[in-house]
Amino acid sequence: SAVISQKPSRDICQRGTSLTIQCQVDSQVTMMFWYRQQPGQSLTLIATANQGSEATYESGFVIDKFPISRPNLTFSTLTVSNMSPEDSSIYLCSVDIASTGELFFGEGSRLTVL
Amino acid sequence: GENVEQHPSTLSVQEGDSAVIKCTYSDSASNYFPWYKQELGKGPQLIIDIRSNVGEKKDQRIAVTLNKTAKHFSLHITETQPEDSAVYFCAASIKWGNYKLTFGKGTLLTVNP
Repeated sequence: SAVISQKPSRDICQRGTSLTIQCQVDSQVTMMFWYRQQPGQSLTLIATANQGSEATYESGFVIDKFPISRPNLTFSTLTVSNMSPEDSSIYLCSVDIASTGELFFGEGSRLTVL
Repeated sequence: GENVEQHPSTLSVQEGDSAVIKCTYSDSASNYFPWYKQELGKGPQLIIDIRSNVGEKKDQRIAVTLNKTAKHFSLHITETQPEDSAVYFCAASIKWGNYKLTFGKGTLLTVNP
């Protein structure tokens, strides 16, 4: 199995600022995704991080608010822009390690916006 | 789109008892159903999954059953242990491999020693 590392693991941010979350996988993966888990809630897919091209966003999520980069097959970043308290969530990176259709998740980045 | 309902939202059992969590889905085209375990402060961990071409799958103390006619699937944990305490999420996907999982709202399982 692969190791999926996210940074930061947690952060407290001020309203109006932006934060970039990094996801590093210790092996090359084709498919990489970003999910959001609001407090006490389930997981919602934000976007698919496409290597070398623009991310594919789900309904309700836009590039201006959640810009994503995917420069290679082992790394991606998610930025939460112009944050408000409603953005307080756990942001999770997920990957299909062996191209089997099974998703594995990182430990998450817990963001609190004051 | 797909809608996944999960119940109960909380479940408390005594150590050694069995636990059952049930999910229903709305889209008859769904054909991939994973279950995730999320411990406090950690990311979700895939514990078992089932595809629509089988009705049951078992892995040690964990089993999942699928009834495509009724559009529901269940997670069964036998001989529960305190370390089984966590939030469990079911999910469904219209197409295995398209990764667009729709998750249930989760079940907080507490196993009392």
